[in-house]
Amino acid sequence: SQQGEEDPQALSIQEGENATMNCSYKTSINNLQWYRQNSGRGLVHLILIRSNEREKHSGRLRVTLDTSKKSSSLLITASRAADTASYFCATGTTDSWGKFQFGAGTQVVVTP
Amino acid sequence: ETGVTQSPTHLIKTRGQQVTLRCSSQSGHNTVSWYQQALGQGPQFIFQYYREEENGRGNFPPRFSGLQFPNYSSELNVNALELDDSALYLCASSTGPELEAFFGQGTRLTVV
Repeated sequence: SQQGEEDPQALSIQEGENATMNCSYKTSINNLQWYRQNSGRGLVHLILIRSNEREKHSGRLRVTLDTSKKSSSLLITASRAADTASYFCATGTTDSWGKFQFGAGTQVVVTP
Repeated sequence: ETGVTQSPTHLIKTRGQQVTLRCSSQSGHNTVSWYQQALGQGPQFIFQYYREEENGRGNFPPRFSGLQFPNYSSELNVNALELDDSALYLCASSTGPELEAFFGQGTRLTVV
């Protein structure tokens, strides 16, 4: 079973709208990372948030982490057509040092 | 561009054959991880190398093996290929096993 599970599986929005996706996980983590993947190509690293952090920002991206609920969210503000991609969360856990576990991803489509 | 390069980009092999995939890590990175991504799924951790030693392995059979060289580049070898081995194989490098990982563009392997 996968450690991280993204929700929703798919999201369709218009340019300018915000996109929010969530990631839930099962065991204690050291950190959580969000990645973007375009059309089955390599993954692009977006943000890493550590277990002692609650929120991080990077440009139009905002990531939150709630370790009590074992969940994280990724918010993309003012979305653009170029944000169309699959988004994955990956967790680094305390019992599997260095082994990141990915969820199945959220597929985001931004229409002009 | 992440500085992580993989070769080849595409490969078609016959069931039962052996394959070697290659990865050049980003300059200064001593950790390389390999992932398998089936169509429509998230990446699954195969194994990780840290300073030329295996540092963690996922649920993959022994016919999946690897190497890391003194310059921190890496190889993934798969013996006795099966149809289910068809996937995108991703390599990621980082400056440490628990730090943010940067991915190459992947090698798409098709087994026929």
